[in-house]
Amino acid sequence: GAVVSQHPSRVICKSGTSVKIECRSLDFQATTMFWYRQFPKQSLMLMATSNEGSKATYEQGVEKDKFLINHASLTLSTLTVTSAHPEDSSFYICSALGTSPDTQYFGPGTRLTVL
Amino acid sequence: GQQLNQSPQSMFIQEGEDVSMNCTSSSIFNTWLWYKQDPGEGPVLLIALYKAGELTSNGRLTAQFGITRKDSFLNISASIPSDVGIYFCAGQAGGKLIFGQGTELSVKP
Repeated sequence: GAVVSQHPSRVICKSGTSVKIECRSLDFQATTMFWYRQFPKQSLMLMATSNEGSKATYEQGVEKDKFLINHASLTLSTLTVTSAHPEDSSFYICSALGTSPDTQYFGPGTRLTVL
Repeated sequence: GQQLNQSPQSMFIQEGEDVSMNCTSSSIFNTWLWYKQDPGEGPVLLIALYKAGELTSNGRLTAQFGITRKDSFLNISASIPSDVGIYFCAGQAGGKLIFGQGTELSVKP
């Protein structure tokens, strides 16, 4: 149980384009999902908290107009990186909050490379 | 902001040896978690600790939630090659996770 998937697993795009990443909780419902970014050899940094049916809450320093988050259902949250630039290249990981117990379950991550 | 100090940063050990890593914080957490991350993958939950002083085992892994709620340790006994990876501690407060810097474990057969 508590399986979280992400799609795509890898994406390469040109600078200036937008990229959408999906995060799905496969066997449980999650009113809250989280988006993290991880640069090579570094830890996971929380970008934003995604709440079903309401606006996402962004961490300090994360541009909400650049990283658009939509949590339209209890099993799906999407992160759209708009007008991507090479410095946005990173490993993006989502997690879904389970309720029994109150623990975050992580997806496998999406490797974004912006050329 | 809240920060976690995880040590050691890396470990190179022989197969069969025991491993110990720990995390300390300047802040109190209600929950401590330990995750393992393989290259190119998301973190996988190893052990969750919900109560100060709690000692929990999961196979060869043992973790403890410090009495002060500001620290936690993870022990791995009789390491095997598949233990290789990066181990992260995480403290949970206000519904959010704060991660340590990670401990990279290498196991020599």
